[in-house]
Amino acid sequence: GESVGLHLPTLSVQEGDNSIINCAYSNSASDYFIWYKQESGKGPQFIIDIRSNMDKRQGQRVTVLLNKTVKHLSLQIAATQPGDSAVYFCAETSSGTYKYIFGTGTRLKVLA
Amino acid sequence: GAGVSQSPSNKVTEKGKDVELRCDPISGHTALYWYRQSLGQGLEFLIYFQGNSAPDKSGLPSDRFSAERTGGSVSTLTIQRTQQEDSAVYLCASSLIGSHYGYTFGSGTRLTVV
Repeated sequence: GESVGLHLPTLSVQEGDNSIINCAYSNSASDYFIWYKQESGKGPQFIIDIRSNMDKRQGQRVTVLLNKTVKHLSLQIAATQPGDSAVYFCAETSSGTYKYIFGTGTRLKVLA
Repeated sequence: GAGVSQSPSNKVTEKGKDVELRCDPISGHTALYWYRQSLGQGLEFLIYFQGNSAPDKSGLPSDRFSAERTGGSVSTLTIQRTQQEDSAVYLCASSLIGSHYGYTFGSGTRLTVV
């Protein structure tokens, strides 16, 4: 399928290396955050979430870090694999609303 | 169905024509959302349906855009008199009210206005 976001920031990493994708969120009142992965021709897929009462949350090969002081979110992917190649979006929301604000996305390219 | 289903997957239309995009959410999900994703951009909120409540239409970019959700299930997004700037991927998502696990997205409809 066609790619979305041909002009997105791109992070290129070697297979097996760790990846760090960053996101600056906009609303200091946001208290719930999600990282999504979007492969070419597909809709965004949930990866991991974190609430504002946490600084760090780990999943399988992924870790999300939250710094509320500077409104910054990061996604760390350990031992990056070719299947991790995709566009990654952060999304924020606040309690009482189910409308998310999405970042513009970062394209991750895994080099063999 | 097991996931959110959108149709058609691709649509090419002539400028000035009307188009209808369909979304079939996950069974039991009471919330349904439409987003638009333009090339090089993030996801832009369009409209939100929750149960029988009045929809949140605050993201619709013009009065050429409208959406319905019949019977609390299937939704149709209609774009009248399409313009070239309407070309984008239109994504539908659904969720359980009260769920804090985000949305489940469909694969989207890629609309190209020529």
